[in-house]
Amino acid sequence: AQTVTQSQPEMSVQEAETVTLSCTYDTSESDYYLFWYKQPPSRQMILVIRQEAYKQQNATENRFSVNFQKAAKSFSLKISDSQLGDAAMYFCAYRVNAGGTSYGKLTFGQGTILTVHP
Amino acid sequence: DTEVTQTPKHLVMGMTNKKSLKCEQHMGHRAMYWYKQKAKKPPELMFVYSYEKLSINESVPSRFSPECPNSSLLNLHLHALQPEDSALYLCASSHNRLLRDSPLHFGNGTRLTVT
Repeated sequence: AQTVTQSQPEMSVQEAETVTLSCTYDTSESDYYLFWYKQPPSRQMILVIRQEAYKQQNATENRFSVNFQKAAKSFSLKISDSQLGDAAMYFCAYRVNAGGTSYGKLTFGQGTILTVHP
Repeated sequence: DTEVTQTPKHLVMGMTNKKSLKCEQHMGHRAMYWYKQKAKKPPELMFVYSYEKLSINESVPSRFSPECPNSSLLNLHLHALQPEDSALYLCASSHNRLLRDSPLHFGNGTRLTVT
């Protein structure tokens, strides 16, 4: 079974600084996607960034970037120039692209609460 | 603004009540999902509809009954719930459950309290 582990229940960062959130996963599959979702107090789960396992180049979306280490099964999120609006719960998620009813199912980590200090 | 709309935003119901949660999207997505989320926990998948047919049921109790009347709408009918069913219920949609690059788009959720 696939599992996703976020070892940091809580993190904090000063505004304008950089913070890295950790995520590791366990899978025997080779074809999958990894995601980071953000859930602010407004409750909506917002897609931050995604990475296809076959792509070696790390994904980047503006101030958000990932460090994808496939062999180590690690997928960390780096937030640069942190802003107050980045405060939220961040979930790492894994989606397998393999057959049967598991296809497309999203497995979430336990989440990391990020606090941004002014 | 979210492209997946859920109503109501809050719902309080007794254990003998019957209520429904509604979800609507107009992005042309053909896969729709119900998730249950407890406070400070990750979402847990309940049901997946693909092309208006139920394709995944994660062994959810029968007091939760999903319905997908058309490609834009997803309902969750609630009956005889228990206090432990109190949670945030999230709806999501994606282009296609089997499409490789098809991320989920979530609504704002319905906060359900069972008294």
